[in-house]
Amino acid sequence: DAGITQSPRHKVTETGTPVTLRCHQTENHRYMYWYRQDPGHGLRLIHYSYGVKDTDKGEVSDGYSVSRSKTEDFLLTLESATSSQTSVYFCATRTSGGARETQYFGPGTRLLVL
Amino acid sequence: AQKVTQAQTEISVVEKEDVTLDCVYETRDTTYYLFWYKQPPSGELVFLIRRNSFDEQNEISGRYSWNFQKSTSSFNFTITASQVVDSAVYFCALSAFSMKTSYDKVIFGPGTSLSVIP
Repeated sequence: DAGITQSPRHKVTETGTPVTLRCHQTENHRYMYWYRQDPGHGLRLIHYSYGVKDTDKGEVSDGYSVSRSKTEDFLLTLESATSSQTSVYFCATRTSGGARETQYFGPGTRLLVL
Repeated sequence: AQKVTQAQTEISVVEKEDVTLDCVYETRDTTYYLFWYKQPPSGELVFLIRRNSFDEQNEISGRYSWNFQKSTSSFNFTITASQVVDSAVYFCALSAFSMKTSYDKVIFGPGTSLSVIP
């Protein structure tokens, strides 16, 4: 348990509205990640951060932006939500970026875009 | 290319039966790490085990055991005497060095949904 919380845990929104999801960690882990989980696709990386203000794109980054102003917080923003962004979003942290390090996940946020 | 395959999409077993979940991976790296995660119906992702590519010793933890074989690129997971609480989706993951990014990428398999019937 890496002390990861996500907020909100559930959200319903309308197409075209901006949405921000928050990930908060208490373990001072340097690396943070946002994934989405969809049936048949497993977990897909959206964006990740390797330090404060240092972020990069994952494999499904279109339509998403992120920010990390503090070590403990990593925000995911859907600029203009679409129905295809209906998903479960997981935040994860890792002590470093090394392959040996385990990723620990937050509880997830269920997002429904109508 | 790196890839993780979990060919079993869904498995159903009767309580107390043993069940093995298969995981086959592809990587060109000589140093890599393999993970198993459990996702129960409540939705959270729970880390179960991590193994590195240099350690092929099988591991047993209570009713769980893992069989890592580099020769067949497999990292299979066995639950002995399954219980209803084992019902979950199980994900196998591979972590290997990436030249393209500033971190080592983690690739997840599609998951195997296990149902244990009382």
